[in-house]
Amino acid sequence: DSGVTQTPKHLITATGQRVTLRCSPRSGDLSVYWYQQSLDQGLQFLIQYYNGEERAKGNILERFSAQQFPDLHSELNLSSLELGDSALYFCASSVGAGAENTEAFFGQGTRLTVV
Amino acid sequence: GQSLEQPSEVTAVEGAIVQINCTYQTSGFYGLSWYQQHDGGAPTFLSYNGLDGLEETGRFSSFLSRSDSYGYLLLQELQMKDSASYFCAVYSGGYQKVTFGTGTKLQVIP
Repeated sequence: DSGVTQTPKHLITATGQRVTLRCSPRSGDLSVYWYQQSLDQGLQFLIQYYNGEERAKGNILERFSAQQFPDLHSELNLSSLELGDSALYFCASSVGAGAENTEAFFGQGTRLTVV
Repeated sequence: GQSLEQPSEVTAVEGAIVQINCTYQTSGFYGLSWYQQHDGGAPTFLSYNGLDGLEETGRFSSFLSRSDSYGYLLLQELQMKDSASYFCAVYSGGYQKVTFGTGTKLQVIP
């Protein structure tokens, strides 16, 4: 158990809908990262938050948004869902934000299926 | 832009040694990490190289050459449980921008 909790584990929704994925980082970790992994693909970095502020942005679509709350949990919002958004969405956390804090701990992921 | 290249698949025999290479192109390079992911599981951190040279952690070692923009993960005394995907990840930019490779699927055979 990495200590990172993601809910829900599975989500099935229709095209055009909006969903929210939730992540609770490890106790004491200030950084949260979101990743998308499509079937048999690598991990695509979406976005990073550090202590409530956006820190780095990757290949995140405009239809997607995220935030980190004062209690450090984070939510990833996906809207106007398309079939191609079906993927495994991982959240990871680490202690800090700099390159010296590179060990990130991953949650078990949320498997999103868009039908 | 940034790019990473690693082999898509590798097969090796139980008890043997295997090396998984990763070459990268990026600006503002900080370091290189390796992650292991079993089918259906979450990635788990294996190692980080911020400086040139070899880092050893048990049966796993990771190497970095910044001048060659190249790194590798070395797995020794392979076990069946080592069958998994292995991702290299490059850290760059001032805010720990991270780019993952597409992964190398390692199959360990008896």
